[in-house]
Amino acid sequence: QVQLQESGPGLVKPSETLSLTCAVSGYSISSGYYWGWIRQPPGKGLEWIGSIYHSGSTYYNPSLKSRVTISVDTSKNQFSLKLSSVTAADTAVYYCARQGYCSGGSCYSGDWFDPWGQGTLVTVSS
Amino acid sequence: EIVLTQSPATLSLSPGERATLSCRASQSVSSYLAWYQQKPGQAPRLLIYDASNRATGIPARFSGSGSGTDFTLTISSLEPEDFAVYYCQQRSNWPPLYTFGQGTKLEIK
Repeated sequence: QVQLQESGPGLVKPSETLSLTCAVSGYSISSGYYWGWIRQPPGKGLEWIGSIYHSGSTYYNPSLKSRVTISVDTSKNQFSLKLSSVTAADTAVYYCARQGYCSGGSCYSGDWFDPWGQGTLVTVSS
Repeated sequence: EIVLTQSPATLSLSPGERATLSCRASQSVSSYLAWYQQKPGQAPRLLIYDASNRATGIPARFSGSGSGTDFTLTISSLEPEDFAVYYCQQRSNWPPLYTFGQGTKLEIK
């Protein structure tokens, strides 16, 4: 069973860089799938940040592209998010997820997010 | 950018009733739409993908329909555990972008 776990500092100062890691267990990232980051400000909706393939190919939300870097470390079976120049507006629960879906006992790559990590709250404050 | 608009914002129903949630896209997304359920303090869970296909482990009382710009998530008979927030999500080809609706909160009446 695939499981994802986010980790990183829960508090980041304004103008600094937010850094999070998503550790994947139960599946080798090198085997395929895109892997994504999604965030959710407190009490608000979901926003896709960006995604990465095991080869390192990435694509980002245009609204965040100038500040986002997503990377993958297949040797550690994890992928990471860096968001620079953060402000209070970047305060959110950050989720990582595999891009795909499961049906009929098999799982497939796709444009949907399943499964998700439990999420980690990052607060931007001085 | 394609915008997804969900309605109603809040839906108040009783267990055993039928729930109908709507998601409207600002332009056609064909059948590239998914539905998620999110309970307080939990990550979203994929319910429906490609507009009408249930993900593994999702009960048959959940069904999705629609194509183009208008989509519906139906819960045929509400169970106590179904009260949660529901989001729709689409993907657009160019620029490659995933967007979510603002959510519908399904609450116990």
